[in-house]
Amino acid sequence: GENVEQHPSTLSVQEGDSAVIKCTYSDSASNYFPWYKQELGKRPQLIIDIRSNVGEKKDQRIAVTLNKTAKHFSLHITETQPEDSAVYFCAASKPSNTGKLIFGQGTTLQVKP
Amino acid sequence: ETGVTQSPTHLIKTRGQQVTLRCSSQSGHNTVSWYQQALGQGPQFIFQYYREEENGRGNFPPRFSGLQFPNYSSELNVNALELDDSALYLCASSLRSGGGTGELFFGEGSRLTVL
Repeated sequence: GENVEQHPSTLSVQEGDSAVIKCTYSDSASNYFPWYKQELGKRPQLIIDIRSNVGEKKDQRIAVTLNKTAKHFSLHITETQPEDSAVYFCAASKPSNTGKLIFGQGTTLQVKP
Repeated sequence: ETGVTQSPTHLIKTRGQQVTLRCSSQSGHNTVSWYQQALGQGPQFIFQYYREEENGRGNFPPRFSGLQFPNYSSELNVNALELDDSALYLCASSLRSGGGTGELFFGEGSRLTVL
């Protein structure tokens, strides 16, 4: 069935360093790949997304890359700050199931000051 | 612009009881999706409602059911509660147009504890 694998499960970096989180999806029909940030006790919030017709998208310190052939996509955060500390989820969906996101297991990012 | 609101925020039930969770979608949105998020896990898709009809369902038993109302708000009902139903239930709304569903906006969730 549809599956999204996310690694690592935890990531600790020093403030100012870069952080990379990787996800692999199983369904080749997937065409939409959002990333959500969830702070403790809060709602998941979209931070960036990418569609399958592009290979990379950047928004200030955050970037996402997509490799359709390998069926994996990655989140890159540069110049990390303590407020970047949260749980990050990748997700995938396909055109026939718009609104249905398959989420990864999450990555707990800790940015040490 | 009003965001997605959910109620109640927390509730405790006992095994075998029934629960109804409510969601008001963001202004202008016509689609509501429900997700179950167990502690330490990613959200899992339960089902989606569009034009007051179920439009896609995840791997959840029939005791999970829902409704969408003409104002696009929605309810999630769970019958015969089990201990494993303890989780954060998230509602997400979006605007479905000819090109498919747009960005999902999540509510803060309803934390259900089943004893």
